[in-house]
Amino acid sequence: AQSVTQLGSHVSVSEGALVLLRCNYSSSVPPYLFWYVQYPNQGLQLLLKYTSAATLVKGINGFEAEFKKSETSFHLTKPSAHMSDAAEYFCAVSDQSGGSNYKLTFGKGTLLTVNP
Amino acid sequence: DTGVSQDPRHKITKRGQNVTFRCDPISEHNRLYWYRQTLGQGPEFLTYFQNEAQLEKSRLLSDRFSAERPKGSFSTLEIQRTEQGDSAMYLCASSLRQGASTDTQYFGPGTRLTVL
Repeated sequence: AQSVTQLGSHVSVSEGALVLLRCNYSSSVPPYLFWYVQYPNQGLQLLLKYTSAATLVKGINGFEAEFKKSETSFHLTKPSAHMSDAAEYFCAVSDQSGGSNYKLTFGKGTLLTVNP
Repeated sequence: DTGVSQDPRHKITKRGQNVTFRCDPISEHNRLYWYRQTLGQGPEFLTYFQNEAQLEKSRLLSDRFSAERPKGSFSTLEIQRTEQGDSAMYLCASSLRQGASTDTQYFGPGTRLTVL
């Protein structure tokens, strides 16, 4: 069974500082990986996805993530935080085995706070 | 592309009552998903449809829950005899199945259910 672990339920950074949100996955086969962002009382918006092409994936709003198979990680980064980045971020994995490539398994999320 | 819409956005009900939620996917998306998100957790998969066929139901979906997608367009999720443990955000997502690769799921704003 696949799983996702997001280290740190709450990350706080200063405006302009580096954002690093950690995600480790467990999957029996190379997975597809996603980062979603959720603003209060809203649904999830896709930031970026990894689908076995380039290991460094660029997304919207200046975010990017790097797939590292040896570390089973897919950490999300942004060089300079903006106040509008304050939200909850979810890492998700889609298993590519057994025809189950429709079901997303999510981590518990990381709440990002940006301080002025 | 008007996005995934859900109705209602909020629902407060008394324990034992039945509730029904509606999801309108992005037009021409052939896959539709339901997830449940409780406080402090990531979304959990409930069920999914390809066109009008319901192809998988999670064990989280007890017999009090039923979902339909008539004619492969909008979908409804009904909860009978609601319990306080059903209080959660119910998220709908849709995607376009293309080939063998995984498709990107686009989420609606969710329906927040509170059972008193």
